[in-house]
Amino acid sequence: DAGVTQSPTHLIKTRGQQVTLRCSPKSGHDTVSWYQQALGQGPQFIFQYYEEEERQRGNFPDRFSGHQFPNYSSELNVNALLLGDSALYLCASSLPWKRGKTGELFFGEGSRLTVL
Amino acid sequence: DAKTTQPTSMDCAEGRAANLPCNHSTISGNEYVYWYRQIHSQGPQYIIHGLKNNETNEMASLIITEDRKSSTLILPHATLRDTAVYYCIVSNSGYALNFGKGTSLLVTP
Repeated sequence: DAGVTQSPTHLIKTRGQQVTLRCSPKSGHDTVSWYQQALGQGPQFIFQYYEEEERQRGNFPDRFSGHQFPNYSSELNVNALLLGDSALYLCASSLPWKRGKTGELFFGEGSRLTVL
Repeated sequence: DAKTTQPTSMDCAEGRAANLPCNHSTISGNEYVYWYRQIHSQGPQYIIHGLKNNETNEMASLIITEDRKSSTLILPHATLRDTAVYYCIVSNSGYALNFGKGTSLLVTP
């Protein structure tokens, strides 16, 4: 049973560019959340997608956007990259809250973005 | 979400119980306590969560004080593979978790 898979694992961009990161959830999961982890910090919630819609959003600017596809996979897009966007971007999948499976997020290994 | 306070680092001898404390004095009634850990270069791993009752699973036990202002994660028999950063998070949403800096646990032989 494949877990959460993310691609690419590493990438380098320059300031002002745009980046797209991809995530496939764990089999049977239909909810995807994205997190940003700066060096030496804990992960911070960006947003959550369920039924192809953004359901919750953390304190991130509109430069961060996402999408969920009918097969539950998801993309994270970041426009107008800043040096401070350099981080590990983590995708997590789960069953939806309303089905009673509370709390357990399954994380991927992350995509490490470096902005020069 | 309520904030949490954890010690920066802790040591534990292999085979002994590791007791990781967390203070969450501003927790509100509908907020759960979640524990995750992150081994270097990997994504976080869920450990356990609870609302007000103590919880136990195959990985750990979670003890929440009666006033819910603090909790303790217990790894009953720590192994070298338990060396990781442990995060205590308080949230009313299982998805929108903002991790602090956590406790870096070092298990020594």
